[in-house]
Amino acid sequence: SQQGEEDPQALSIQEGENATMNCSYKTSINNLQWYRQNSGRGLVHLILIRSNEREKHSGRLRVTLDTSKKSSSLLITASRAADTASYFCATAEPLGSGNTGKLIFGQGTTLQVKP
Amino acid sequence: GAGVSQSPRYKVAKRGQDVALRCDPISGHVSLFWYQQALGQGPEFLTYFQNEAQLDKSGLPSDRFFAERPEGSVSTLKIQRTQQEDSAVYLCASSLTIDRKQFFGPGTRLTVL
Repeated sequence: SQQGEEDPQALSIQEGENATMNCSYKTSINNLQWYRQNSGRGLVHLILIRSNEREKHSGRLRVTLDTSKKSSSLLITASRAADTASYFCATAEPLGSGNTGKLIFGQGTTLQVKP
Repeated sequence: GAGVSQSPRYKVAKRGQDVALRCDPISGHVSLFWYQQALGQGPEFLTYFQNEAQLDKSGLPSDRFFAERPEGSVSTLKIQRTQQEDSAVYLCASSLTIDRKQFFGPGTRLTVL
């Protein structure tokens, strides 16, 4: 079963615009990770944010985490056609009590960046 | 360096056949995960290995699914008597430890006719 919701399910923007994707989850987490998946390809890790962090940056990516609202957002600035892909958030459960670090994924957001 | 590799990349099986999917994790990675991704969905957890020990198999959908990692490196996911609902992409991921980022392989796309 999926952990939570991603919003929007699909997003279409022009090159150069910013893209924001949101993710909500249901249970306590150790960390939250964002992945990109191009059609027919494997998942590429983008960024990991731990439960005690609120914001993280990596190049054109900015991720926020609000554990009180159990939500995260991924912002891609100055988007490019090559950013066209599906984006997934995934949560890892807290360590201990036999937890394994398995990831629980959302449904994903399909981003299309038009040149 | 080499990433996670999986073989075969594509597999077509007739209903009732047995299949074996292979995963080569990144060398030295202790943790290995298998996920199943149905079309248009996010991946769903199947099973987890810490070295050669299978510590969590709670996501395996039925007793037709079996996974092993006998020497703590290469892992094989076996599906017996395949059914049409087994059609999906099977992803393998490895990580250095359980709280580090997971590196995914390209997946094996299984189609059961």
